[in-house]
Amino acid sequence: NAGVTQTPKFRILKIGQSMTLQCTQDMNHNYMYWYRQDPGMGLKLIYYSVGAGITDKGEVPNGYNVSRSTTEDFPLRLELAAPSQTSVYFCASSYREAFFGQGTRLTVV
Amino acid sequence: DQQVKQNSPSLSVQEGRISILNCDYTNSMFDYFLWYKKYPAEGPTFLISISSIKDKNEDGRFTVFLNKSAKHLSLHIVPSQPGDSAVYFCAASEASNTGKLIFGQGTTLQVKP
Repeated sequence: NAGVTQTPKFRILKIGQSMTLQCTQDMNHNYMYWYRQDPGMGLKLIYYSVGAGITDKGEVPNGYNVSRSTTEDFPLRLELAAPSQTSVYFCASSYREAFFGQGTRLTVV
Repeated sequence: DQQVKQNSPSLSVQEGRISILNCDYTNSMFDYFLWYKKYPAEGPTFLISISSIKDKNEDGRFTVFLNKSAKHLSLHIVPSQPGDSAVYFCAASEASNTGKLIFGQGTTLQVKP
């Protein structure tokens, strides 16, 4: 049972580039989330989804987009990367207790 | 607007002693509270939770206490072990609001041998 899988684990982007962070879960959870963690800070909710076809903004959605075409997958899209998006990104899925992926460390230079 | 606050960035305790991590919240609609543990380069892992209908929940060495009137919860680890050294996040959710979790800033616990 893989749980929540995120790819890639590391990425360096240049300012203005775009990329998609992939997230998939095999626990058949309806709820999925994207968080970012900046150094010394807690986890900030970027976007979340309550099921396929339904997404909503979290605390810090600017600069990001998401889609949820299936229960399993919840990709996060960065359209125009900025240095402020340098962070560690975590995907999670839940019923009540959230299960997290290993994280994607993104650096924008 | 920080709805969940962990005011102590770090805590250091001796092996075998009790570790107490604290968390405060402001949203009275929160009805479910969780603690997560995070090691470097890993995702957070669920540790223990408590519903707002309870004031205590135990799981082995870990106990979470909830004081609703003070909007405060705490995590007790007894006895503390060096392997408990990690960042601990408090989180809260509203059942009526998709169950999404709002996290505190985290407390780094160091347990010295």
